[in-house]
Parts: sequence; C-alpha cells; structure tokens
Amino acid sequence: SYEVTQPPSVSVSPGQTASIPCSGDKLGDYYPSWYQQKPGQSPVLVIYQDTKRPSGIPERFSGSNSGNTATLTISGTQAMDEADYYCQAWDSSTALYVFGTGTKVTVL
Amino acid sequence: EVQLVESGGGLVQPGGSLRLSCAASGFTVSSNYMSWVRQGPGKGLEWVSVIYSGGSTKYAESVKGRFTISRDKSKNTLHLQMNSLRPEDTAVYYCAGDLGTHSFDYWGQGTLVTVSS
Repeated sequence: SYEVTQPPSVSVSPGQTASIPCSGDKLGDYYPSWYQQKPGQSPVLVIYQDTKRPSGIPERFSGSNSGNTATLTISGTQAMDEADYYCQAWDSSTALYVFGTGTKVTVL
Repeated sequence: EVQLVESGGGLVQPGGSLRLSCAASGFTVSSNYMSWVRQGPGKGLEWVSVIYSGGSTKYAESVKGRFTISRDKSKNTLHLQMNSLRPEDTAVYYCAGDLGTHSFDYWGQGTLVTVSS
C-alpha cells in the first residue's frame, strides 16, 4: 500500500518561515493535501492538489511539490499556527486514501 | 453552511458491534465522496473507509471484513457499521466529505468509540 512520510516535529520562531515536508514515491501523482489540527478540534483542510488553497485559508499557507516531496510552507508564522499538520494522498490505482504520521509545529 | 454531525459512539466490549451515523446538511452525501477517518488517543489520523458517489466502497486493511460503510439518500446520512470490535479500534471517528478533489473539504466534530471490557 502507498505510504507518505513526515518528520515528527518542526520548530519555528514567530514571523519566520516553517517548511514541512511530506515524502512518497512519485507523490505529485497522488493529489497531496494538507490539514491543520489543533488540540480538541477537527482537522481543517489548508492545501489541496499540491498548491490550491481553500477559501478562508490565509495566504501565508502555501504548498509546493517536487516529484517525490510535497512541502507545506507557512510564511510569517504566527502563534496561532502552532498545531499538528497532516499530509494526505490519494492513490488512483486503488482508490484509497492515506495520511502521513503528522508533524507537530511549535512556534517558539 | 455545511454541517456534518456524527452520532452513535460509546463504550462497547471487545467483539461487540456499533453503528455510527453522520447527518449532513448543506451538503449532499450521495453526490460526493464520503469517508470515515479515525484518530486513536494521542495518535494521528487514519483513513478508514470511503463510499464514492457511484456507490463503490473501499476499506483500510485494518477494518476490511469487519466494518461496512453505507448511506441513506432519503435521510442524507452516512453510516458505519462496526462489527467484531477490538481495543485498537478505540478512537474518535470523523466523517469527512470530499468534493471530488481527493481531499477532505468538510469534517464533522467526531464521535468517540471506546472498546474495552
């Protein structure tokens, strides 16, 4: 089955840029998406199909893809961005979804 | 405004059964791809099952043969029948809607399932 990999944690200073990688074989072909989840809350979609941002998501959230690695970038990180972030892919060959293990972003 | 409201969670003994429901408003269950996603205590998100708009269904290996996803078009509701429950099925279960982008645009608030004797 398809798998995607994320680092367990990323630290960033307020106002700086946080980059969260998600790796998987030919990940760009698997519609990578990103979710933000704060404690006690449901996940929120922040990026879909590599680079698209849903309505209402701040412009400081952006996505990119370079073949095997998708990256969620948070520019000008704010304290409110401290959360767990999950990468998710969709395998068209099996029609199954998969989540990464999640990355805890700490704003120091 | 889209709302997904789960219900049916609770405490069940190992080997038991439970049926979860997800009532949708502002969103048509049968016209979209609907999934169940779970999150064990202190753990990450795990995709469980999907029912596509055409009616086909898929399951994660961890629940295949034990869980069944279905929908009720007349009530605009999604269900998850869970049989032969195990302690490792303990989790918050979310229903989630995919508008066709292969990502989850909408999420419910979740319902807690605890499998314990």
